[in-house]
Amino acid sequence: AQRVTQPEKLLSVFKGAPVELKCNYSYSGSPELFWYVQYSRQRLQLLLRHISRESIKGFTADLNKGETSFHLKKPFAQEEDSAMYYCALFYGQNFVFGPGTRLSVLP
Amino acid sequence: ETGVTQSPTHLIKTRGQQVTLRCSSQSGHNTVSWYQQALGQGPQFIFQYYREEENGRGNFPPRFSGLQFPNYSSELNVNALELDDSALYLCASSLGQRGYNEQFFGPGTRLTVL
Repeated sequence: AQRVTQPEKLLSVFKGAPVELKCNYSYSGSPELFWYVQYSRQRLQLLLRHISRESIKGFTADLNKGETSFHLKKPFAQEEDSAMYYCALFYGQNFVFGPGTRLSVLP
Repeated sequence: ETGVTQSPTHLIKTRGQQVTLRCSSQSGHNTVSWYQQALGQGPQFIFQYYREEENGRGNFPPRFSGLQFPNYSSELNVNALELDDSALYLCASSLGQRGYNEQFFGPGTRLTVL
């Protein structure tokens, strides 16, 4: 079965420090990968998708097919980045979400 | 433009009962997906409806069923409720059935099965 793993349940960094949220997937085809974010008391929302190769709120994510990874990175974390982050894989007509990583950016 | 809405917000059922959850998609969206999110876990894909037909299904038993109506709103029905069905049920709408289309999520319905 296809899987998405996010090894860190909680990641704490200081404001201004670089942040990397890890995501690995298992899928032999061409994956469509996403990062979704949920801020406190808000709905789950799309942060970015690999197909767009975009940078949103300073975050980027590069698909590495050799390592089957799609890590989310930001060079300088801000307090407003504190949230729950989910990596997600779409294949066929099926979505698989990872368990999520809670990012806490400390002042 | 209105966002995705879900009803009810919370409900409590007992084991063996049946439940219907409702979702109104965002204006202009023709695709609805349903997810189950247990406490401390990521959303698990239940199924997707595109133009009133089931378009994809996750690893859920047949007692989880759904409908999509001509106005693209949707229902999730769960029969013979089990304790493990206690979870937050999320609905998401999008324009088109392709995976790369952005999904817009509702606030969820919290189901407790006693």
